[in-house]
Parts: sequence; C-alpha cells; structure tokens
Amino acid sequence: GENVEQHPSTLSVQEGDSAVIKCTYSDSASNYFPWYKQELGKGPQLIIDIRSNVGEKKDQRIAVTLNKTAKHFSLHITETQPEDSAVYFCAAKISNTGNQFYFGTGTSLTVIP
Amino acid sequence: NAGVTQTPKFQVLKTGQSMTLQCAQDMNHNSMYWYRQDPGMGLRLIYYSASEGTTDKGEVPNGYNVSRLNKREFSLRLESAAPSQTSVYFCASSEEHPSRDTQYFGPGTRLTVL
Repeated sequence: GENVEQHPSTLSVQEGDSAVIKCTYSDSASNYFPWYKQELGKGPQLIIDIRSNVGEKKDQRIAVTLNKTAKHFSLHITETQPEDSAVYFCAAKISNTGNQFYFGTGTSLTVIP
Repeated sequence: NAGVTQTPKFQVLKTGQSMTLQCAQDMNHNSMYWYRQDPGMGLRLIYYSASEGTTDKGEVPNGYNVSRLNKREFSLRLESAAPSQTSVYFCASSEEHPSRDTQYFGPGTRLTVL
C-alpha cells in the first residue's frame, strides 16, 4: 500500500517568516494530495489540496507544490502569524471509489511572536 | 449544515467494558471513515465504508467493529475495551468522485480506557 512520509515533525519560525513542510509518497498511482490543519482539541480541517494534473496551487498565504516525478509535495506558508500555530498533516489518495487516504505523521508548527 | 458530528466528545471506560461511538454526516457523502490518532503516529485508519452496506478494514481494525447503519451514520464499537485503545477517534466522510473526494472530519471523541 501507499506510504507517506512527512518532515519535519516539529518546526518553529518567527512571525512573518515562511514555513515549509515536505511529504513524500510511494505509490505513483496516487493523484490527490490534501493538507490538513489541526488545532488543539479539534478535528483536522482541509486547508488546501492539489491534484496530479497541476504542479502548484495557491490560496492567499498558503501554497502547495507537487513533483510527480520525484513523488513529493510540499506546503508553503508565507508571512506566518501566531494563529498558524497548529499540527499540519499531509495525505495521499488514489481518486477512485473505495480507495482510502494515507496520512503523514504530522508537523507541529509553532510561530513565535 | 452541521457537517460531521460525533458523540460522545469524551468517554472513560474500564477495561473490558463495551461502547459504541456514533458518527453522522449531513453532506450526502457515500464514503465514511473511522481513524484513531495517537501521539507521534498521525491518523491511522481503523475501518472505512465506501458506500452504504459495505465496510472494509483499514490499518488497525483489531478490537473494533463497525456498522454502516444508513448513508448518514457510521458507528464504531469496542466490544471489550483495552488500555491500548485509549486514543482520540475521528470520523470522516467524503464524496466518491474523482474530483470531489475531499475528506471532512468530525470534532473527535477522546476515549480513555483504565
């Protein structure tokens, strides 16, 4: 089955700096890659996703890049703010009926004011 | 539109007790999932249901059973709870469509087994 690895496990940045979280996947058939933000005591919430027919997607301060050849994808957060502090998860899936999501182990991001 | 709801929010059990975690979604999604989340291990799939009437094992199904009661509801049962099942449990749902399979999560159930 699919194996998703996520790095780093913890990340601290100064407010205003950028943060980058990287994930690799093993199954070249995976074609859907969502990113989730989980705040303390809450369930994961989708913040951005990308499908394999594009290489980059941006939504305000958040962007995701995908390199299908190397089988890795990354989350980029610019101009970080204290409210960006949370745990971030990447995931991979083959978009088709009955297929499951495979998650990375999470990155705990701390933005220092 | 409440999205994905889970009950209860918190539960404490003694070893050997049984309980059922409830999950419901109002987004008319076909697929529903149960995950457990433990420190440093991310989200691990327990069971999932691709459609009403079907269920499949995930990565860590031992000690659990599930029921897809109808399209809206997917329950997780612990028949004889063990301390190793202390965890946070999340239910999720998604539409089964190649371009609309975003997964949505509930708020979680925090279970402690003594």
